[in-house]
Amino acid sequence: DTGVSQNPRHKITKRGQNVTFRCDPISEHNRLYWYRQTLGQGPEFLTYFQNEAQLEKSRLLSDRFSAERPKGSFSTLEIQRTEQGDSAMYLCASSHRDNYGYTFGSGTRLTVV
Amino acid sequence: KQEVTQIPAALSVPEGENLVLNCSFTDSAIYNLQWFRQDPGKGLTSLLLIQSSQREQTSGRLNASLDKSSGRSTLYIAASQPGDSATYLCAAPNFGNEKLTFGTGTRLTIIP
Repeated sequence: DTGVSQNPRHKITKRGQNVTFRCDPISEHNRLYWYRQTLGQGPEFLTYFQNEAQLEKSRLLSDRFSAERPKGSFSTLEIQRTEQGDSAMYLCASSHRDNYGYTFGSGTRLTVV
Repeated sequence: KQEVTQIPAALSVPEGENLVLNCSFTDSAIYNLQWFRQDPGKGLTSLLLIQSSQREQTSGRLNASLDKSSGRSTLYIAASQPGDSATYLCAAPNFGNEKLTFGTGTRLTIIP
């Protein structure tokens, strides 16, 4: 197992465009999390899935954001009509229900110009 | 709602010194606490996970302690090396779920 994989590593987009990020968790982990991190801050929770069910969404996740985890495997995070304030590092993590320790991916850095 | 504070925000020490990073949390009803390392522009690497039943956890030159009653955790780094330079983040779960709340981190610089 190669750990949590995120693609792309970097994304530069023009304001108003839609972007989609992908996360492939550790295969035996049934929980998957999305966090957002801005410069100088700790990661902030966005949403999490247990298998294919999205169990919680943060108020940070406006209606322009949507996340899916079809079949409880990989997950996608889509941002519609991007704004400059969406520029951040988007981090994905997974955990096994019985362990609770998180494993993070390398993140996707989004720059909205 | 869980709140996590890390002090100091930045720390510079000469190579070879031992050092301690501090983390405090407001909700002591936690089942674990996790320490992470983050290099500039990179993701988070898990260093140590301490379960609520444990008081300490060790990995190589790293030792983390947990005192739930006082709402504190410390990360001790022995014989620091330039490669230890990074930001160290502490994270505690929120009561009733696994959502982690992070501190803002301590940016550590080891001076050769």
